[in-house]
Amino acid sequence: DAGITQSPRHKVTETGTPVTLRCHQTENHRYMYWYRQDPGHGLRLIHYSYGVKDTDKGEVSDGYSVSRSKTEDFLLTLESATSSQTSVYFCATTGDNNQPQHFGDGTRLSIL
Amino acid sequence: RKEVEQDPGPFNVPEGATVAFNCTYSNSASQSFFWYRQDCRKEPKLLMSVYSSGNEDGRFTAQLNRASQYISLLIRDSKLSDSATYLCVVNIKSGGGADGLTFGKGTHLIIQP
Repeated sequence: DAGITQSPRHKVTETGTPVTLRCHQTENHRYMYWYRQDPGHGLRLIHYSYGVKDTDKGEVSDGYSVSRSKTEDFLLTLESATSSQTSVYFCATTGDNNQPQHFGDGTRLSIL
Repeated sequence: RKEVEQDPGPFNVPEGATVAFNCTYSNSASQSFFWYRQDCRKEPKLLMSVYSSGNEDGRFTAQLNRASQYISLLIRDSKLSDSATYLCVVNIKSGGGADGLTFGKGTHLIIQP
């Protein structure tokens, strides 16, 4: 499997606080993705990146921002967390955007 | 039509039985198809790619029907360890946009002893 590390693995925080999730990959993959997964909704794309400093919005991007300053790291930031952002967040990477994506272990985020 | 649609199940199947489920997709120009497996509270993992001529990997067979726009997954001689959610994945976006693949919501399979 691709070397993908997500941190933190678990986080509990309060409404209104900023939160940053990190995805680190060692595969030199060009494409990186952030998803959230909630019961009844499946995986939903938040933001993605197709290169250093190249990012774009997915289907559920409101309330989230991303940054990719180097190939191996893709950061997801919740500027002011809300309870609706309680979810499991997955990072995925691939070298070709039509080929399979490989996922990190996920981050369980609870906003109280 | 939803972009990638799957029966959510659950499919309750006795151990040793054969089970099959389908997934329909909306874009007739889609070129890449995959099945992923996701265990409870774990990340999705690639199970197999789906090729135009159909392909097999041990007890698992994947098929593509372009005319009817669906892919299928068949599991023979099911094991307790096959219990999981199976995600259908397709590149829905025309022109191969950088936003990659579209995931179905998954079909939940429970193998019963």
